[in-house]
Amino acid sequence: GAVVSQHPSWVICKSGTSVKIECRSLDFQATTMFWYRQFPKQSLMLMATSNEGSKATYEQGVEKDKFLINHASLTLSTLTVTSAHPEDSSFYICSALSGTVYNEQFFGPGTRLTVL
Amino acid sequence: GQQVMQIPQYQHVQEGEDFTTYCNSSTTLSNIQWYKQRPGGHPVFLIQLVKSGEVKKQKRLTFQFGEAKKNSSLHITATQTTDVGTYFCAGREGSNYKLTFGKGTLLTVNP
Repeated sequence: GAVVSQHPSWVICKSGTSVKIECRSLDFQATTMFWYRQFPKQSLMLMATSNEGSKATYEQGVEKDKFLINHASLTLSTLTVTSAHPEDSSFYICSALSGTVYNEQFFGPGTRLTVL
Repeated sequence: GQQVMQIPQYQHVQEGEDFTTYCNSSTTLSNIQWYKQRPGGHPVFLIQLVKSGEVKKQKRLTFQFGEAKKNSSLHITATQTTDVGTYFCAGREGSNYKLTFGKGTLLTVNP
């Protein structure tokens, strides 16, 4: 089946630093990937849609200059949280569109970001 | 914008009891998907419903899509401790690939 990996699985950083999170589709090509944020005991909130070879589409209220997304290849999308602050601490999950009949989104295992 | 509401927020049952979670969209959906997220894990795709009035079964799980394609339900018969987790519905409008997730229903099962 379709597998999506994320790296790192968790990261702790100091306030003001930048953190890069990688999302890879391991056994399929994904022209479209999605980045979600999930706060404790809450639902997944879509942050942006990442399209290979083009600029990401950000949801309303998400700062594109703070959350930089790069989808340089059909199997890799990266999310960089720039100048992270404690309120950015969250569970960041990516998903990749499989492109099958069902257009399933296969989710990565998530990255737990803690900003001190 | 599109909103997807899901109830109940929490449900605690005794093992063997049935469980149902309901999902309602503010707009007509092209399809609806259901995901399960175990504690500490990530969402795992369960099923997608596309047709008006569609009913699909996976062992003890029954999924329904309303006639108006605005609501859906997930019913689990005779719950087991392995059913513990948060169940999310996620709706899609038109040909847009974007999913709007409900807030989820956290199911806990007392053995």
